[in-house]
Amino acid sequence: QKEVEQNSGPLSVPEGAIASLNCTYSDRVSQSFFWYRQYSGKSPELIMSIYSNGDKEDGRFTAQLNKASQYVSLLIRDSQPSDSATYLCAVTPAGGATNKLIFGTGTLLAVQP
Amino acid sequence: DVKVTQSSRYLVKRTGEKVFLECVQDMDHENMFWYRQDPGLGLRLIYFSYDVKMKEKGDIPEGYSVSREKKERFSLILESASTNQTSMYLCASSRTFRGNQPQHFGDGTRLSIL
Repeated sequence: QKEVEQNSGPLSVPEGAIASLNCTYSDRVSQSFFWYRQYSGKSPELIMSIYSNGDKEDGRFTAQLNKASQYVSLLIRDSQPSDSATYLCAVTPAGGATNKLIFGTGTLLAVQP
Repeated sequence: DVKVTQSSRYLVKRTGEKVFLECVQDMDHENMFWYRQDPGLGLRLIYFSYDVKMKEKGDIPEGYSVSREKKERFSLILESASTNQTSMYLCASSRTFRGNQPQHFGDGTRLSIL
């Protein structure tokens, strides 16, 4: 089992809709969770961090964490064509002492005008 | 804002050459990382460093070495470049504070080995 799993997509949503991106992780002791956005040919850009159960909102983005289910998601409200990118989920590995992150392989989001 | 600067956006080298990729961060971060990213394989950690002169192997260190002589600079070295090292190379940095912190990435170096 992969440590961090994401559906590779593409996830296609119409402009203005809510895009829901999901990520599951295997290590119950993981404490920190991050979402990165990566445009084609560019480097990953941090868009959200979440550390405790529940929802965290930042503008059109909401991160949701459920540690009991080992599940973290990213909702993008009022999706725009400019949101079309690959979204990477990243999780701290077991122990968390090395400052490494484990990345999923990403979900490609396509927002249709 | 965190600034992570990689020395080259595009680089073309020949098989057998020794290749240096440089990365500099301006936020006094303790941790620095080198990844390569290939289609379908995601980000793979090559090496990382949590302090000056300290380094640890990541998941795919073979064929690579690193150097961290100053806190702000982390270099990746391809000892004898091979065509299977053609890839996008990404440098990242993070601070050590209250548990894990996010990593911040440079713009990447697209390296082609001919």
